[in-house]
Amino acid sequence: NAGVTQTPKFQVLKTGQSMTLQCAQDMNHNSMYWYRQDPGMGLRLIYYSASEGTTDKGEVPNGYNVSRLNKREFSLRLESAAPSQTSVYFCASRVGAVRETQYFGPGTRLLVL
Amino acid sequence: EDKVVQSPLSLVVHEGDTVTLNCSYEVTNFRSLLWYKQEKKAPTFLFMLTSSGIEKKSGRLSSILDKKELFSILNITATQTGDSAIYLCAVGGSQGNLIFGKGTKLSVKP
Repeated sequence: NAGVTQTPKFQVLKTGQSMTLQCAQDMNHNSMYWYRQDPGMGLRLIYYSASEGTTDKGEVPNGYNVSRLNKREFSLRLESAAPSQTSVYFCASRVGAVRETQYFGPGTRLLVL
Repeated sequence: EDKVVQSPLSLVVHEGDTVTLNCSYEVTNFRSLLWYKQEKKAPTFLFMLTSSGIEKKSGRLSSILDKKELFSILNITATQTGDSAIYLCAVGGSQGNLIFGKGTKLSVKP
């Protein structure tokens, strides 16, 4: 039972490059989330998908786009990376509106030079 | 604005000590408060407290919720070096997300 998986684990980008962070869950959860974690800032919501076919902005969406490819997969895209996007990115999922508990992937550490 | 404040931000104790971590919150339409433990990687779920379940216990860890005073505490008794981690407190947000505090970094020395 893999739970929530993320790829890649680590990535180095140059300013202006683009990349997509992948997330998949095998728990048949309806809702999926992307957070970033920065020192002293806690976890902040970037985008979320309450159910397949819907996506919405969170607290810090600028510079990012998302795609809910199907029920299992939720990707995060950086079109033109900036040093301010250096962070650890976590994907999470939860069953849906009934249960609040979210389950997190192992994270992607991104360094933008 | 919804917010979660944890204290202390960091704590150093010795094995066998008992620690208390604090979490206060302000949120519209409170539904639940969650505690997570984060070691090297992903936050892992510890407890969820709601109006119908204001006290939880699992082994050496326990947590209570005070809905009147808007805070929660996480207690760890007989601490071990394996308890060293960042402990995160979160409450449910209006977007279905979790609103996290900045965490308490606990270091347990042998």
